[in-house]
Amino acid sequence: AQSVTQLDSQVPVFEEAPVELRCNYSSSVSVYLFWYVQYPNQGLQLLLKYLSGSTLVKGINGFEAEFNKSQTSFHLRKPSVHISDTAEYFCAVTLKAAGNKLTFGGGTRVLVKP
Amino acid sequence: GAVVSQHPSRVICKSGTSVKIECRSLDFQATTMFWYRQFPKQSLMLMATSNEGSKATYEQGVEKDKFLINHASLTLSTLTVTSAHPEDSSFYICSARDVGRQGVTEAFFGQGTRLTVV
Repeated sequence: AQSVTQLDSQVPVFEEAPVELRCNYSSSVSVYLFWYVQYPNQGLQLLLKYLSGSTLVKGINGFEAEFNKSQTSFHLRKPSVHISDTAEYFCAVTLKAAGNKLTFGGGTRVLVKP
Repeated sequence: GAVVSQHPSRVICKSGTSVKIECRSLDFQATTMFWYRQFPKQSLMLMATSNEGSKATYEQGVEKDKFLINHASLTLSTLTVTSAHPEDSSFYICSARDVGRQGVTEAFFGQGTRLTVV
């Protein structure tokens, strides 16, 4: 079975500073990788995904992530955060044959301070 | 496109009553929908996979008689929490896959339902 670990439960960061959210996964087979953002009392919005090809993936709102197969990581980055980026971020994986049955990491709460 | 709507967004019910939550795909067909549960400040845990026209597949530890799932059409799945108790209070989120898209690799999420049992 696959699993996802988000190493940081909370990340405080000042506005306009860069942020990196770490995600490591384990799986014996190939997976698809996703980052989602959740605002309070709302569902999840897809930020970006890695399916295949280029290991650097660009998403919405200025976010990007890099897939590293050897380190089984998919860290999320943004060079300059805004107050509006304050939210919960989830890394998730699905087996390529699993039909979108997602396994989520524990989440990382990003708090952007002015 | 690819909008998933969940209703209600919030519900408060008395202990012992049942509550139904609807998940609709508004602009696509979904043979498969997923129901997740999220406790405060925690991650999403998959409860069950809802299959149109057949029985749902429940994850280990999820009581199928307590969490009834019906997927009667390609655009609607319902989750009914039966005989609700305060420990069932949680945030429930559904997701659906657009079967009409070739090579679809992402699921789309509803807005979630905050259930409070008093």
